Amino acid sequence: QSALTQPPSASGSPGQSVTISCTGTSSDVGGYKYVSWYQQHPGKAPKLMIYEVSKRPSGVPDRFSGSKSGNTASLTVSGLQAEDEADYYCNSYAGSNNYVFGTGTKVTVL
Amino acid sequence: QLQLVESGGGVVQPGRSLRLSCAASGFTFSNYDMHWVRQAPGKGLEWVALISYDGTNKYYADSVKGRFTISRDGSKNTLYLQMNNLRAEDTAVYYCARSTQFDYWGQGTLVTVSS
Repeated sequence: QSALTQPPSASGSPGQSVTISCTGTSSDVGGYKYVSWYQQHPGKAPKLMIYEVSKRPSGVPDRFSGSKSGNTASLTVSGLQAEDEADYYCNSYAGSNNYVFGTGTKVTVL
Repeated sequence: QLQLVESGGGVVQPGRSLRLSCAASGFTFSNYDMHWVRQAPGKGLEWVALISYDGTNKYYADSVKGRFTISRDGSKNTLYLQMNNLRAEDTAVYYCARSTQFDYWGQGTLVTVSS
């Protein structure tokens, strides 16, 4: 199972929006509604930000939103804040009880 | 308060074995599927294994199939990963994570495979 493709980096100024893509295939992202997104600060464990494409866990700001079109999922962070600077990973169910993560995107707040 | 605490990492020679543990608290452990996920130094996340809530079903990434075994002990609220025939490329921080959404993660334990 190959990793899902994410851009290595993305950036934006405080208050702006940034969108991260996550491209897979019809066997993973395109085939299921089970796409999730994780935020990871340096030296810390990942934190769930979005699950089932667009659902937000309790406590995650509504500045974070998710969507999917075909084989590509997206995470949008609106109203960027300094604490949003982190690595972000997507994940998709890939069938047969297998899961695949994305390559990761480093978000920089300028 | 929900907690997942991994332990058992360390330095091990290639070809040797190691067993990781993940102690769960603050939730009903036996109600949830559990995962192991690893992250090589400076690299991305890699899904390793999944065990069903009752321990009857186990699934593995191709990269560890036949070498790693996931298990759980409901009486101890603990998840395990038995790693055999370790290779240099298994060097990583190993995390346990709860549920099919990976909704809670432990802090990780570092495994270094080196001679």
